[in-house]
Amino acid sequence: EDQVTQSPEALRLQEGESSSLNCSYTVSGLRGLFWYRQDPGKGPEFLFTLYSAGEEKEKERLKATLTKKESFLHITAPKPEDSATYLCASGGATNKLIFGTGTLLAVQP
Amino acid sequence: GAGVSQSPSNKVTEKGKDVELRCDPISGHTALYWYRQSLGQGLEFLIYFQGNSAPDKSGLPSDRFSAERTGGSVSTLTIQRTQQEDSAVYLCATGGGGPYEQYFGPGTRLTVT
Repeated sequence: EDQVTQSPEALRLQEGESSSLNCSYTVSGLRGLFWYRQDPGKGPEFLFTLYSAGEEKEKERLKATLTKKESFLHITAPKPEDSATYLCASGGATNKLIFGTGTLLAVQP
Repeated sequence: GAGVSQSPSNKVTEKGKDVELRCDPISGHTALYWYRQSLGQGLEFLIYFQGNSAPDKSGLPSDRFSAERTGGSVSTLTIQRTQQEDSAVYLCATGGGGPYEQYFGPGTRLTVT
């Protein structure tokens, strides 16, 4: 059964303290690994799509990387406005996305 | 509009009543998805539309749930005889910017009392 697991469930950082979020997946016929950001009371906001192992994408303080079994979202020198829930999802053999339960990130000033 | 819109933003209903949730997709996006997000759980896929047809309905939890899409645009998710366990945020997403890329609306928070 296709599955996506994220860790940690919650992460508290000081402003400027870099860290990484993990997403491991077991999907037959992966068709993309997706990262979203979700703020309270809002829908998920698309961040990145990665398609093949070794691929990397960057946006401001965020960088996403992909291996054959997991993806990492690296956050460099985070700011309080980076606080949100970060969701990882895989695109499988059908067109639906399979989501993990997310990592709740809190960045304190 | 520029993004996916959903209405209503909040809906409180009594157990046993029917509800309709609406999704207006990004113009030109042919793929449309419904998901459900319950407290403490991940997003759960419900149904996928390509144009007006629904090739994947595998996530609908029971026959009380149905959805339609007309004109390749607006979609409506209907829940009949609502139950308390139906309380959740219902999210619509549309795709067209790339394989599997999906852009979400703000969601409808459904509370069944």
